[in-house]
Amino acid sequence: NAGVMQNPRHLVRRRGQEARLRCSPMKGHSHVYWYRQLPEEGLKFMVYLQKENIIDESGMPKERFSAEFPKEGPSILRIQQVVRGDSAAYFCASSLKLAGEDTQYFGPGTRLTVL
Amino acid sequence: QKEVEQDPGPLSVPEGAIVSLNCTYSNSAFQYFMWYRQYSRKGPELLMYTYSSGNKEDGRFTAQVDKSSKYISLFIRDSQPSDSATYLCATKTQGGSEKLVFGKGTKLTVNP
Repeated sequence: NAGVMQNPRHLVRRRGQEARLRCSPMKGHSHVYWYRQLPEEGLKFMVYLQKENIIDESGMPKERFSAEFPKEGPSILRIQQVVRGDSAAYFCASSLKLAGEDTQYFGPGTRLTVL
Repeated sequence: QKEVEQDPGPLSVPEGAIVSLNCTYSNSAFQYFMWYRQYSRKGPELLMYTYSSGNKEDGRFTAQVDKSSKYISLFIRDSQPSDSATYLCATKTQGGSEKLVFGKGTKLTVNP
């Protein structure tokens, strides 16, 4: 039973390039969450998506960041024109979200380094 | 004031010790409380999940929530070197956003 999968595990980009981070939720899970972990900081919520819908994007920076979770395929977190401050670990979590079961299970993360 | 405060440590204990990890929170709307364990360079793994006040025990781990003082704790009995990790407390509201609000995490080292 595969867990949450994220790829790539490590991503290096130069300033101004685009970064695309992918997340495949656990089998049967249709709810996906993205969190960011800056060095020496806790995890910070970014966005919550269901299939084809953004439910809560209150933690997303207003510019350069976008997320999607299409009907088919993984969820994508896209960062345009990356800056050094975007260097962080990005974690995806998924949940089943049925009555009584809303545990968020985390993937291994993508570590983004911006040069 | 941060929504969830957690002493980052580091905390170093000998094998077999009882470990106490703590968080405080400011938002009285938080109803669900979790502890995640995160090994270095890995994703967080859920350890304990509690609703409202009270205690919950699972093996060597006990989670405690005191809503009157907005204080949450995780106790680890008979600590093992394999418990060495960063422990993150997390909370969320009931019926509102599904987002988890995390503490900064406490780094624990259990020495053999």
